[in-house]
Amino acid sequence: GAVVSQHPSWVICKSGTSVKIECRSLDFQATTMFWYRQFPKQSLMLMATSNEGSKATYEQGVEKDKFLINHASLTLSTLTVTSAHPEDSSFYICSASSQGRWDTEAFFGQGTRLTVV
Amino acid sequence: QKEVEQNSGPLSVPEGAIASLNCTYSDRGSQSFFWYRQYSGKSPELIMSIYSNGDKEDGRFTAQLNKASQYVSLLIRDSQPSDSATYLCAVSTSGTYKYIFGTGTRLKVLA
Repeated sequence: GAVVSQHPSWVICKSGTSVKIECRSLDFQATTMFWYRQFPKQSLMLMATSNEGSKATYEQGVEKDKFLINHASLTLSTLTVTSAHPEDSSFYICSASSQGRWDTEAFFGQGTRLTVV
Repeated sequence: QKEVEQNSGPLSVPEGAIASLNCTYSDRGSQSFFWYRQYSGKSPELIMSIYSNGDKEDGRFTAQLNKASQYVSLLIRDSQPSDSATYLCAVSTSGTYKYIFGTGTRLKVLA
């Protein structure tokens, strides 16, 4: 199966600082990547769809200026949480897919636990 | 609003029993259906995918899809304590890879 690597697996930052999370597809080219957020005891909520070489598409209610997404290559997408606040503390998970290779299955990274203090 | 509904549980079953997890979805255009298992603090891992009506079996797991009733289920036979986790149902429209997740059902397998 495909491998998606997410880094870091956990991060603690001070309120007001920015944090960058990386999502890499290790053995396939990912034309599309997705970023999810999961609060405790809740399900995964899609934040945005990242397409290589074009602007990300954000879900309703997600601030695009706060959650900056860059998908500069077919193997890397980054999510930057700008001016982080304690309410941004959550589990962030990326997923990646390569259309035409593994049908419609998407593969998940291991997640990043963000704690803003 | 496209929705995927699951009973949050917990669903408790004794070791060796069959666990039955259910999911309904609202979008009739949905084409792909997935069951993920998520342990606490970990990322979801794919258990089963199903795309056409009927049953699909993989080891101890059987996924069942009924598009007319907009219903998908997961059966786990010979449940083990290691199966204790939250099971997420995910649905997508063909070609989009955009998943809508249910809230998950917490399964407890009692030794």
